[in-house]
Amino acid sequence: NAGVTQTPKFQVLKTGQSMTLQCAQDMNHEYMSWYRQDPGMGLRLIHYSVGAGITDQGEVPNGYNVSRSTTEDFPLRLLSAAPSQTSVYFCASSHRTGRLLPRYGYTFGSGTRLTVV
Amino acid sequence: GDSVTQMEGPVTLSEEAFLTINCTYTATGYPSLFWYVQYPGEGLQLLLKATKADDKGSNKGFEATYRKETTSFHLEKGSVQVSDSAVYFCALSRNSGGGADGLTFGKGTHLIIQP
Repeated sequence: NAGVTQTPKFQVLKTGQSMTLQCAQDMNHEYMSWYRQDPGMGLRLIHYSVGAGITDQGEVPNGYNVSRSTTEDFPLRLLSAAPSQTSVYFCASSHRTGRLLPRYGYTFGSGTRLTVV
Repeated sequence: GDSVTQMEGPVTLSEEAFLTINCTYTATGYPSLFWYVQYPGEGLQLLLKATKADDKGSNKGFEATYRKETTSFHLEKGSVQVSDSAVYFCALSRNSGGGADGLTFGKGTHLIIQP
């Protein structure tokens, strides 16, 4: 089925370990983004990309890196995991239609639940 | 900066009751407004949207009207079902600068419908 695919669904890391959360979409969406969801906080934007080779920081970028080498993939890297990064991570994508980029909504993946101990 | 405020709940209703979830926002300019729904263990799904003042978004019996004068986008449904139990998020997107800086979300409202 077309959509946004996130892997893994669950992950437990030890403090200081590194890992990459994968996100892939098959809808030829130009725009992709990463959010984290914490209890009582809603979702907060980590990083986003408006196309291959272009990335930018969102509201809470510290501790995370991203790259966008293809239109389909937008991995999120944790270089040295910390307990504060325990969260549920969502990837989202959208078509870019000139200046009306997100006005018509995003497609979200099903999330990655990350626990850092 | 931009912000979205919504009642956090949990909100518990009986089946067939009338639902209102309040949402107000603070933003410069004329944002687009959204309601997303998250069922247990799943990602967010777009429920409805409105892109300009006085627009009414509707889907699956849910409705919300973009009220610029009161900066509100309240979600309503006339008769809820057990299957509507989920977390509902109000969100906005700025339309300036292409809006590439993503959505601003409220904290979410947990809705529980009892048979």
